[in-house]
Amino acid sequence: EVQLVESGGALVKPGESLRLSCAASGLTFSSHSFIWVRQFPGKGLECVSFINSRASEIYYAASLEGRFSLSRDNAKSSVSLQMNSLRVEDTAVYYCATMESDGVMWGQGTQVTVSS
Amino acid sequence: DIQMTQSPSTPSASVGDRVTITCRASQTALTWLAWYQQKPGKAPKLLIYKASNLATGVPSRFSGSGSGTEFTLTISSLHPDDFATYYCQQYYTYPYTFGQGTKLEIK
Repeated sequence: EVQLVESGGALVKPGESLRLSCAASGLTFSSHSFIWVRQFPGKGLECVSFINSRASEIYYAASLEGRFSLSRDNAKSSVSLQMNSLRVEDTAVYYCATMESDGVMWGQGTQVTVSS
Repeated sequence: DIQMTQSPSTPSASVGDRVTITCRASQTALTWLAWYQQKPGKAPKLLIYKASNLATGVPSRFSGSGSGTEFTLTISSLHPDDFATYYCQQYYTYPYTFGQGTKLEIK
């Protein structure tokens, strides 16, 4: 069974940093691309970042203004999202997902709250 | 960016009704389109991937169709459990973008 499990969400203050992780199992990790999606309290969904299987293509939402960094560790079957200079408007549930021609899988999400 | 527009936004229907939700893309997404169901406090649940493929465990009353710029999600006969919010998402080109959601309400 394919599983994606996010971790690392927390309550932090504006300007602080946080690192989210996504642990994958039940799939050939090294052949999958991954994305992070966030869902704001008002329910809108935004694709935050994308990394392909070889980490040769990494994209970020323009709204991030260079504050986030995505990486992967194929040996550990994990993807990490480093979030710096967090803002109140980054408050959301963050989901890890893989979307391929043979299927789509999301994790259950991790809550990030940025508040003073 | 590909803009996704769903309609209607807040339809109301009754148990047993046939319901169709439309998702239009501002440019082609080929068949790289997913549909999700979401209930309060839960993660989006995948219903359909690649426009018309039923996800594992999803009841056969759900179906998806379309290609290019117009897609539909059809629920053939509404069950009480189907009253929820539905989202479409294109994953043809980054940034993968979502529709604004369709909240299906009980009439």
